[in-house]
Amino acid sequence: GAVVSQHPSRVICKSGTSVKIECRSLDFQATTMFWYRQFPKKSLMLMATSNEGSKATYEQGVEKDKFLINHASLTLSTLTVTSAHPEDSSFYICSARDQGAHNSPLHFGNGTRLTVT
Amino acid sequence: AQSVTQPDIHITVSEGASLELRCNYSYGATPYLFWYVQSPGQGLQLLLKYFSGDTLVQGIKGFEAEFKRSQSSFHLRKPSVHWSDAAEYFCALNTGNQFYFGTGTSLTVIP
Repeated sequence: GAVVSQHPSRVICKSGTSVKIECRSLDFQATTMFWYRQFPKKSLMLMATSNEGSKATYEQGVEKDKFLINHASLTLSTLTVTSAHPEDSSFYICSARDQGAHNSPLHFGNGTRLTVT
Repeated sequence: AQSVTQPDIHITVSEGASLELRCNYSYGATPYLFWYVQSPGQGLQLLLKYFSGDTLVQGIKGFEAEFKRSQSSFHLRKPSVHWSDAAEYFCALNTGNQFYFGTGTSLTVIP
């Protein structure tokens, strides 16, 4: 089945530093990937849609300069949290659809737990 | 507007008992519907999906869901719950390029 690999699974960083999270589709190509943020006991909040070879589409209220997204290939999207602050601490999850499969569901990575100290 | 509603925030069932998690959606066209399960600290795993055809769909781990257009529902069921089923469950609607998620139902299984 379609697999999405997300790395790292857990990261702790100091306030003011930047953190990069990678999302890879291992056995399929994805022109579009999605980045979500999940707060404790809460549902998924779509942050942005990552488009291969073009700019990401950000949801309202999400700072594009804070959360940099790059989708350089059909199998890799990255999310960089710049100048991280404690309030950025959260669980970030990426997902992708298999563009070659009709009506493909979203396939999710295992998430990244970010803690900013 | 499109939306997904999971009216039950938290459900507790005894191991071996039957389970139903409710999901209602709002969408004017044919919906593509999904159920996902999330274990603590993990991503979401697809349980089952509905696109068309048979309205009763079977998924992994013994789960099934029934699509009822007249009720705009896609409830998830399992005849006998196992302790390992304790997790967060999300219903999702796909309208093309957009996915809409419910707020999730947390399932607790007691011995």
